[in-house]
Amino acid sequence: ETGVTQTPRHLVMGMTNKKSLKCEQHLGHNAMYWYKQSAKKPLELMFVYNFKEQTENNSVPSRFSPECPNSSHLFLHLHTLQPEDSALYLCASSQVAGTNQPQHFGDGTRLSIL
Amino acid sequence: QQQVKQSPQSLIVQKGGISIINCAYENTAFDYFPWYQQFPGKGPALLIAIRPDVSEKKEGRFTISFNKSAKQFSLHIMDSQPGDSATYFCAASISGGYQKVTFGIGTKLQVIP
Repeated sequence: ETGVTQTPRHLVMGMTNKKSLKCEQHLGHNAMYWYKQSAKKPLELMFVYNFKEQTENNSVPSRFSPECPNSSHLFLHLHTLQPEDSALYLCASSQVAGTNQPQHFGDGTRLSIL
Repeated sequence: QQQVKQSPQSLIVQKGGISIINCAYENTAFDYFPWYQQFPGKGPALLIAIRPDVSEKKEGRFTISFNKSAKQFSLHIMDSQPGDSATYFCAASISGGYQKVTFGIGTKLQVIP
């Protein structure tokens, strides 16, 4: 596989469930990102990891918990989500954060909170 | 506060016409301006990017025009085709700032035959 792969593509969960989103990049990049994409809003940066270290937490509620075990994998752990958290969650990677290298996006996980 | 203002939010263009999307920014520290293209069911993909030391960059049918003094930049799609129908995002970032890319709200382009 090449590029950035996200699983699952679709997820429906109740507000009390715990689930995780997975992202894997096969580009040899060292920076990975989580974004939230909602209708009629700009893409919202959530988290940035550079060489496995978290460098940005953009005031994201604690019900979202990221994990980056290595430069190729990124997870977003979800628990007690709210209906307003329903959105498309995009993962991206780039060579190194902070160098204006292009970001490569996955196709996203469409999350629906019941 | 929206730091990159994009317009229009939707655009319908006849096949063969020119599509124009405009963006404006406030932060003069921005030094990298990419455009992303997103098809339904897909993630955004980098289309073309420009730095503020040039006023224009062209790649095929896609051209970015950049006006540093006005703090504006625009995407022109020449000879628009139905396959260009997608959502386009302008963006801006600052080198050294852990690449916190600020995106515009997006423009949904529909090219009709």
